[in-house]
Amino acid sequence: KNQVEQSPQSLIILEGKNCTLQCNYTVSPFSNLRWYKQDTGRGPVSLTIMTFSENTKSNGRYTATLDADTKQSSLHITASQLSDSASYICVVSSPSGTYKYIFGTGTRLKVLA
Amino acid sequence: DTEVTQTPKHLVMGMTNKKSLKCEQHMGHRAMYWYKQKAKKPPELMFVYSYEKLSINESVPSRFSPECPNSSLLNLHLHALQPEDSALYLCASSMQGNSGNTIYFGEGSWLTVV
Repeated sequence: KNQVEQSPQSLIILEGKNCTLQCNYTVSPFSNLRWYKQDTGRGPVSLTIMTFSENTKSNGRYTATLDADTKQSSLHITASQLSDSASYICVVSSPSGTYKYIFGTGTRLKVLA
Repeated sequence: DTEVTQTPKHLVMGMTNKKSLKCEQHMGHRAMYWYKQKAKKPPELMFVYSYEKLSINESVPSRFSPECPNSSLLNLHLHALQPEDSALYLCASSMQGNSGNTIYFGEGSWLTVV
């Protein structure tokens, strides 16, 4: 069964600190993996997209990594800001699942001043 | 800023009401989606339209009726809903239905059924 699991479920850090969110998936075959940021009550916004051949991709203070062999991805946030408080969702798609994107359960990040 | 626009942002309706959620995009995308999201849960796919034709219906109850009048518009007609249907309804679009395309989400419509 195609699944995407994220850890931790929730995380609290102090402003300025770094953190890493994890995403493990069993989706096969694999097409690409995306990280989305979702502020409370708003739609998800794409942060990064990575294909099978990509290991690292950055978007400002956000850096995503992908290990297609172990089927793991991480999202590293550097020098966190209060505005980083949100849910981060890992989404995996498969070429055999046209239109279907498999969503992880998300990590809720809270950044405190 | 999102380029997928949803209206209304908030909707409260009774179980006997008929209402509609509307979604619009002008990015030239040919695939449009409706998702339902409950609190602290990931979005769940409801419907997919590709080139204005319904491609996927994830066994959604008939009290939800999608409509795609043209390539830029997507509606979700609501009738005889239940309180458990209260959720954030997200519209999304992508260039095509190819899974290599990024999907862009709207801000969502908060629906409360009383």
